[in-house]
Amino acid sequence: QQQVKQSPQSLIVQKGGISIINCAYENTAFDYFPWYQQFPGKGPALLIAIRPDVSEKKEGRFTISFNKSAKQFSLHIMDSQPGDSATYFCAASIDSGAGSYQLTFGKGTKLSVIP
Amino acid sequence: KAGVTQTPRYLIKTRGQQVTLSCSPISGHRSVSWYQQTPGQGLQFLFEYFSETQRNKGNFPGRFSGRQFSNSRSEMNVSTLELGDSALYLCASSFGAGIIGEQYFGPGTRLTVT
Repeated sequence: QQQVKQSPQSLIVQKGGISIINCAYENTAFDYFPWYQQFPGKGPALLIAIRPDVSEKKEGRFTISFNKSAKQFSLHIMDSQPGDSATYFCAASIDSGAGSYQLTFGKGTKLSVIP
Repeated sequence: KAGVTQTPRYLIKTRGQQVTLSCSPISGHRSVSWYQQTPGQGLQFLFEYFSETQRNKGNFPGRFSGRQFSNSRSEMNVSTLELGDSALYLCASSFGAGIIGEQYFGPGTRLTVT
């Protein structure tokens, strides 16, 4: 199975709050887990990524938590700001052969941060 | 460093026609992947090219094809367009040389089929 399941579909958070988006995967061969942020009319922008040998990675206000045994990973956005309002996609990557890494995406979470 | 560029940004075509989309990767990147984004199916992988060779292909019909040139620029072609082909087509570039590559997306080409 190549599926990546993402929840929630939409999320409303107060300014300054913590936004949490969760993803679960089935294929244990996945070995790279990026998060992308997409604003309307733009392409997805790489936000942060983690490999399965690490349980947590932090970059500024963005943190990925990774639970290998549960096959789950999540994005935490601390001190959420209205400018963070966007659609967030989790993804997982696997070597499909000959060094080709194909991204499998979750369905996305539309985050709205209200003042 | 310039990002991934895609042309054209918007296209309107009629059912049955064909269309060609273009992607220029980040300088130094040799891998270009194409994705289709729709509200219903989300982001789906079409194919990936590296050094002018298709390395990987998603589950799309043969009407979807692509190629890559020696300068790593890539084109994607869709023949005999169907209404369901209306989507945002995104390309992503990466170094692609045997390491888990971070993929960087362009702004996409919005294709509308009428």
